[in-house]
Amino acid sequence: TQLLEQSPQFLSIQEGENLTVYCNSSSVFSSLQWYRQEPGEGPVLLVTVVTGGEVKKLKRLTFQFGDARKDSSLHITAAQPGDTGLYLCAGALRGSQGNLIFGKGTKLSVKP
Amino acid sequence: GAGVSQSPRYKVTKRGQDVALRCDPISGHVSLYWYRQALGQGPEFLTYFNYEAQQDKSGLPNDRFSAERPEGSISTLTIQRTEQRDSAMYRCASSLGTSGARAYEQYFGPGTRLTVT
Repeated sequence: TQLLEQSPQFLSIQEGENLTVYCNSSSVFSSLQWYRQEPGEGPVLLVTVVTGGEVKKLKRLTFQFGDARKDSSLHITAAQPGDTGLYLCAGALRGSQGNLIFGKGTKLSVKP
Repeated sequence: GAGVSQSPRYKVTKRGQDVALRCDPISGHVSLYWYRQALGQGPEFLTYFNYEAQQDKSGLPNDRFSAERPEGSISTLTIQRTEQRDSAMYRCASSLGTSGARAYEQYFGPGTRLTVT
């Protein structure tokens, strides 16, 4: 059973479109992170959310942590080809010693 | 160094041989993690350390896999009697490991691509 479910698994859109990626769980997380990974590279941290209901913005990216800290979303406005990559959410379970649970990722392709 | 480094970047070995993969974390980072990652998928947890202590090895597939971090810095993941199914990208990550949300923010190395023939 996958503890963190990401959807959609694949997303192919045109430049300029908006999109939302979801990360859902039945477990409560003390914090949740989003990473972006390009082919041949390791995942790179984008943001950490900690408080239920928290919203963080990073240029055209908006991250939200659910009120119950069980889910999160990533919204990209006016996507660009440079946004192409694998987007991963990862959560630290409440009471864990430091291990992160990763979702399987959403593979985003933005066509010019 | 500025980031997490791993060596070798590529390793081709014959079935039955032992391999050792090295990870050098960011200086001062308490926690070190090993993952295996299939193409286009999220990292699959193998094991992690706080300082030199192995905290969780529940993700290691079987007893052919082991890891150590004897001085709380560099870590080695060893696979004995390699099999073709061990072929994968092996990634290492490190984090501050202090209290608070930033403790969990992981910085990944470039990975070692292991191919078992």
